[in-house]
Amino acid sequence: DGGITQSPKYLFRKEGQNVTLSCEQNLNHDAMYWYRQDPGQGLRLIYYSQIVNDFQKGDIAEGYSVSREKKESFPLTVTSAQKNPTAFYLCASSTRVAGSVFDEQFFGPGTRLTVL
Amino acid sequence: AQTVTQSQPEMSVQEAETVTLSCTYDTSESDYYLFWYKQPPSRQMILVIRQEAYKQQNATENRFSVNFQKAAKSFSLKISDSQLGDAAMYFCAYISTDKLIFGTGTRLQVFP
Repeated sequence: DGGITQSPKYLFRKEGQNVTLSCEQNLNHDAMYWYRQDPGQGLRLIYYSQIVNDFQKGDIAEGYSVSREKKESFPLTVTSAQKNPTAFYLCASSTRVAGSVFDEQFFGPGTRLTVL
Repeated sequence: AQTVTQSQPEMSVQEAETVTLSCTYDTSESDYYLFWYKQPPSRQMILVIRQEAYKQQNATENRFSVNFQKAAKSFSLKISDSQLGDAAMYFCAYISTDKLIFGTGTRLQVFP
């Protein structure tokens, strides 16, 4: 089955600790994305990557870091510099249609991060 | 800058009835895609329907259809014969090149 997997489903972190969220896709998609969703709100873009070994900051990148060493993997690290990390995190991927145009995004099931 | 606006934070509909969710967007691009995503209580984002801006014909997917008015920059979603399983958050989204831009969402309640 093709799709996007995120792990873990629930994650608890103590204040001051870094934590890494996993995102893997076997759809052979070029681009991958990380979003944050707070209760009752829409999605905000953290980071995205359109090609291996390259990524760009989204709207709320402060306190987060990413890497894209493989096409199928795009892990997100929530660092201790992120002041309010408790949220729901969604990973997505999409394929390049032509040039710099990308098609619809497919989403993983999400990770719920709670800081204790 | 591109923006997507959903002016209805909450909507409700009776089972088997029809409901329309509104979405407007702002862009200076001529080529783009528009989407409606559904987020049920499981929080999995599910694509409901997509529309290419160059297509004049409105997209339909079973009970779901859109009213795409390019000049007015409007992209509403119509759900016919509403079912209890349609209850969810619905997000309108726009993409031109790299970033998908979401509206703030509309929570749809379906009453039996």
